Amino acid sequence: KNQVEQSPQSLIILEGKNCTLQCNYTVSPFSNLRWYKQDTGRGPVSLTIMTFSENTKSNGRYTATLDADTKQSSLHITASQLSDSASYICVVSESSASKIIFGSGTRLSIRP
Amino acid sequence: DAGITQSPRHKVTETGTPVTLRCHQTENHRYMYWYRQDPGHGLRLIHYSYGVKDTDKGEVSDGYSVSRSKTEDFLLTLESATSSQTSVYFCAIRRESPTDEQFFGPGTRLTVL
Repeated sequence: KNQVEQSPQSLIILEGKNCTLQCNYTVSPFSNLRWYKQDTGRGPVSLTIMTFSENTKSNGRYTATLDADTKQSSLHITASQLSDSASYICVVSESSASKIIFGSGTRLSIRP
Repeated sequence: DAGITQSPRHKVTETGTPVTLRCHQTENHRYMYWYRQDPGHGLRLIHYSYGVKDTDKGEVSDGYSVSRSKTEDFLLTLESATSSQTSVYFCAIRRESPTDEQFFGPGTRLTVL
C-alpha cells in the first residue's frame, strides 16, 4: 500500500534555531515529492517540488532533500521565525494524475 | 492562490440535510479535486474531475457526489449529511505547467450536528 509517513508529529523549537522534518514514503512508481506549509485555518501552500532526478531544492530558508533510493525526504528550516509556525505536509505523487498521497503532517511551533 | 475560491467558508447543518459546497477557479485548469482534512489524517481525496462532466472517485467517496458542468466550478454534495462528515473540506486544482503541482483553496469548515 502506498504510504507517506512523517516525523515527528509535532515539534517545538526556539526562534532562531534550525530544525529538520522527515518524510518516508513507499509510493511506487514515483513521480514527484512536494512539501507544503499549512497555516492554521488556511489551505496548504507549496514550498518545494522535487522529481526523481533532483536531490535538493531550496526556497529561501527552506531546503528540501530527496533520496529516491531510500525513499526519504527531509525539510530543513534555517534560522526559524515565528511565522514558520505551521503544519508541514509531505506529498508524494505516483506517475498518474489521480494518485497523490499526503502525509499527516508535522506541526511545528516556534517559541520566542 | 491560483484564483481558487470556496463557498461557503463555514457551515453548520443538521444530520440528514443535504449540503453543497462550491469550488470556483479562474484559470481554466482541467483537474479539480475535493479533499477532506481531519485531525490525525492527511488530506484524503473524496472525488476529482479531469474535465467538464468527467469525474472519478477518491479513497473516501462514500456519502459524497460531485458535479462539474463548467470548467470553473466543481460542486461537492453531501446528499444526507452525517456527523462523520464534520470536517474541513479543501478544493484544489492541478496546474500542469510549467511545474506539475496542486494549489489549494482556503477551505470550508463544515459542522454536522
